[in-house]
This record gives sequence, structure tokens and C-alpha cells, in this order.
Amino acid sequence: DGGITQSPKYLFRKEGQNVTLSCEQNLNHDAMYWYRQDPGQGLRLIYYSQIVNDFQKGDIAEGYSVSREKKESFPLTVTSAQKNPTAFYLCASSTFENSPLHFGNGTRLTVT
Amino acid sequence: GNSVTQMEGPVTLSEEAFLTINCTYTATGYPSLFWYVQYPGEGLQLLLKATKADDKGSNKGFEATYRKETTSFHLEKGSVQVSDSAVYFCALGSNTGNQFYFGTGTSLTVIP
Repeated sequence: DGGITQSPKYLFRKEGQNVTLSCEQNLNHDAMYWYRQDPGQGLRLIYYSQIVNDFQKGDIAEGYSVSREKKESFPLTVTSAQKNPTAFYLCASSTFENSPLHFGNGTRLTVT
Repeated sequence: GNSVTQMEGPVTLSEEAFLTINCTYTATGYPSLFWYVQYPGEGLQLLLKATKADDKGSNKGFEATYRKETTSFHLEKGSVQVSDSAVYFCALGSNTGNQFYFGTGTSLTVIP
């Protein structure tokens, strides 16, 4: 079955360490997105990519970086510059404009 | 610009009660509208969608009508079940640049 796989489901890191969250899709979607979700809040866009080797900052890109070397993969690195990295991170993809987003099951990152 | 305003929760209903979750939007152009559902610890799942004015999206007993005159997309269900307990997100998909805008989510708890 086609879908989006995020790994790992839970991730623990010490403050000051960079950490990379994986996102892979086999839906053949061109566009991929990273969102952050905090308790009781909506989704905030971190980065998105419409095509391979191209990506744009979202509303809260500071302290994060991404790459899009392959259509299927859009890893997110949470750097030590991110002031409050503990959150639930969601990866999503979509095909043509106005088509719905498809979401992975998320990675819960805890930084202590 | 584009934005979505969603009824704040939490909402608690008895089983078989009628559900309405209000959603209004502001948009340039002709967006698509979506309702997503999120169960604890999971990603968002598409519940229903509407792509143009007066369209009615429906799925699993839920429905919402795209009302351009009132810029609304309210979610309704005639008889909720305990299994409907989740967080519901209203979202707008811009028809330019494949951008998505989410409401803050409404938590629904259905009690037996």
C-alpha cells in the first residue's frame, strides 16, 4: 500500500545535539511538507518542497534544515539552534494543486 | 491572505447527539476545503473535501458544504459515536502554489 513513513515514532535527544527525522513516501507525490504540532495548537509549516532539489521556508523555519535529493525522501534536521524543539513532527505530501495532503504518523521528539 | 478560523473546543457530547463544528475561512482565489481527523498519537487523516462552491463533502456520516457566500465549511454529523472522539481540523488548500492553511483543531469527546 502506498503511504508516508516517518521514523522513528519516538526520538529522544540531549540539548545541543542535532537530530534528523526521516520521511519517505511511495505515493509518487511531487510536493512534500514538514509541520510542527504543539499541544492544543494547530499545525505550523516548517519547510516544504514542490520538486526535487528545491525547497522553501515555511512560517517557523529557524533552527531547522531540510534536503530533497530524491522525490521519495524529505528528511528534516532539527539543529541545536532550535530553541524549543520538543514537539510532534508531521510529514505530508500532495500531488497536484488543490489535492489533499497525505500525512505520516508523526515523530514525537523530546529534547532534554 | 488565506486563513482558517475554527470553533474552539473541547466539545463533549453524548452518544447519538448531533455534532456541528464551525469553520470559516478567508481566501484569495478559489481554494479547496478539507476536514481532517487526528486520533491520539497519529497523523491527520482526510475525512472529507470540497473543491468548489456548493460542493458537499461526505464520509462516514460526516458532511460539510462549501458555502462561498458565508465563507464557511461547517462539519456536521447527525449521530456521533464514541469512536468519533478525536481532534478535527479544518483546512484550506490554496489554488496557487500548493499551500495549505489549518485551523487550530477542535477536540471532540463522545461519552456513552
